[in-house]
Amino acid sequence: RKEVEQDPGPFNVPEGATVAFNCTYSNSASQSFFWYRQDCRKEPKLLMSVYSSGNEDGRFTAQLNRASQYISLLIRDSKLSDSATYLCVVNGGTSYGKLTFGQGTILTVHP
Amino acid sequence: DTEVTQTPKHLVMGMTNKKSLKCEQHMGHRAMYWYKQKAKKPPELMFVYSYEKLSINESVPSRFSPECPNSSLLNLHLHALQPEDSALYLCASSQVSGTGVGYTFGSGTRLTVV
Repeated sequence: RKEVEQDPGPFNVPEGATVAFNCTYSNSASQSFFWYRQDCRKEPKLLMSVYSSGNEDGRFTAQLNRASQYISLLIRDSKLSDSATYLCVVNGGTSYGKLTFGQGTILTVHP
Repeated sequence: DTEVTQTPKHLVMGMTNKKSLKCEQHMGHRAMYWYKQKAKKPPELMFVYSYEKLSINESVPSRFSPECPNSSLLNLHLHALQPEDSALYLCASSQVSGTGVGYTFGSGTRLTVV
């Protein structure tokens, strides 16, 4: 079983749509959780950290369920500029100090 | 300054060449990382430096040799690489290894081994 699993998609949605991505992680000792965004041929950029209490940043909402070892990202009112690969990332667990990336979910927002 | 700067941006090298990738940050971060990313794959950790000391080596072949001369610089020395080593090499830094703070990535060096 992979340490971090994501549905690779692709997700193709129209502008204005709401889209949700899910991610599961295998190691219950994992300590920190993030969503990164990566544009084609660019470096990953931190989108937001994920907390058990849930956190929101504008159109983006992230949620962590430690009991189910499940992380989610919700994007509301999708924009064309949201088209990217979204990476679920977990820190700690099997190797302290190591970021483990999911395979990424490809999102394409079309007019 | 909230950037991680990597040079060169592109590198083509032969299998007998020796080259170095460089990474620099001035955010006062004390943990620095090398990741390797193949096309359509997620980044994979290679090395972690914490307080200028190597703390994690993910069983990387010895043809890759990391070096951390000081708290702001991280190098990756390359020697006798294979074509399958062609990839995007990403440097990242964070305040301290293992904290809950996200890492900042450089824009990467796109390496082609011919």
